[in-house]
Formats: sequence, C-alpha cells, structure tokens
Amino acid sequence: KAGVTQTPRYLIKTRGQQVTLSCSPISGHRSVSWYQQTPGQGLQFLFEYFSETQRNKGNFPGRFSGRQFSNSRSEMNVSTLELGDSALYLCASSLDGSGANVLTFGAGSRLTVL
Amino acid sequence: QQQVKQSPQSLIVQKGGISIINCAYENTAFDYFPWYQQFPGKGPALLIAIRPDVSEKKEGRFTISFNKSAKQFSLHIMDSQPGDSATYFCAASMEPHQLIWGAGTKLIIKP
Repeated sequence: KAGVTQTPRYLIKTRGQQVTLSCSPISGHRSVSWYQQTPGQGLQFLFEYFSETQRNKGNFPGRFSGRQFSNSRSEMNVSTLELGDSALYLCASSLDGSGANVLTFGAGSRLTVL
Repeated sequence: QQQVKQSPQSLIVQKGGISIINCAYENTAFDYFPWYQQFPGKGPALLIAIRPDVSEKKEGRFTISFNKSAKQFSLHIMDSQPGDSATYFCAASMEPHQLIWGAGTKLIIKP
C-alpha cells in the first residue's frame, strides 16, 4: 500500500513569508502527527490531528498551525517565517494515534528560510 | 518526569562490532518502548519495540534489553554493518498518550 506522502519535498522561503505543507496519510489511518527535526534537536512534536480535530499540541508558537480534512489528509502552516524555522518537517500517520500505534513517517518537507 | 534521555549523541563502531545505545526514563507508567531508525533523506521507521513485561526482545541482529528496576532500556546491534549507519531514536509512551522521544543517536559504522 502507498506510504505517507509529503509535499513539497523541498522549498525555500524568505523571512516573513508563510508556508503550507501537505501530508497524505496511509489509507485507513485517522491520526496525523507533525514533527520538526533540526540538527541536534531530535524530533520536536508539533501537533496531532484525529478525525479533523487537534488532539495534542507541542510547545510551539501560534505561528505554527494545522488542520485535517475529512479524508484524513493534513496540512500545516507556518506564518511569518523566521530563520530558525529552517528544518525538516515530518508527518507521521497511525491508525488512531495511541502511543503503541506504529507511526509511519513520510520523507519530510525540507524548509529553508533565507 | 516525561523525559526520555538517550545516550550517546553520536557513536562510531567498527564493522562487525557491537553498537549499544542507551535510554533512561522516569515515568514508571510508560508501557511501550519502541526504537526508530532514520536514514538520511528518509523519515524514521519502526525498528523494534518492547513492553515492560519482558526483559529482552531480539529481531535478527537487533536486541532491546529492558531493565525495569533501573528504568533503562538499550538497543544492541550485533555484527554492525555499514548499512546500519543511521540515526536511532528511542521513545516511550503510556496509553493513550503520544510517544515521548529521545534526542537521537547518530551511528556510524566504519568499514
């Protein structure tokens, strides 16, 4: 079956702009989580969506937002981009988002902010 | 109390050697401990996982050792190969909550 698809894979933005990243989960998976990965910082949890509702949220400013559609596809948005937002943004899907579910990650969207 | 502390941050092992990565936790309510493996340019993928009712789980060359009393668990890679070079993340969770992740270990296997 198809894996988790993230688009775009690479993008370059300038400070102050906004960006929208997309994630298509595995068919049948209803939970989508987003992570920020930077060198030396590991995986930082952004938020998790389940059935179009944000169920968990990490410690990120309000510039980071997301949503989930009825087909479980998810988008995340970062407004007023800062240099420090340069990172790999990973999306992961699972059946219902519980801790013991296997997370299937996409290959990520690499954002560079100039 | 929600943290998972992973060490070392980076590790270089000769081909054929044993790679050992350690994780420690505080919350005794955690009941699921997975390890994820991430290759460059890819997202992490589940490698192996353990529940606290067993002290060891082995899958091929990969073994998780779990010490409930010490609140520690570790990943052992036997006969390490260059293809094992990757970043490894440990994690822990308790139902129905999200995984708490370690900081990751960059493993390099030298030919």
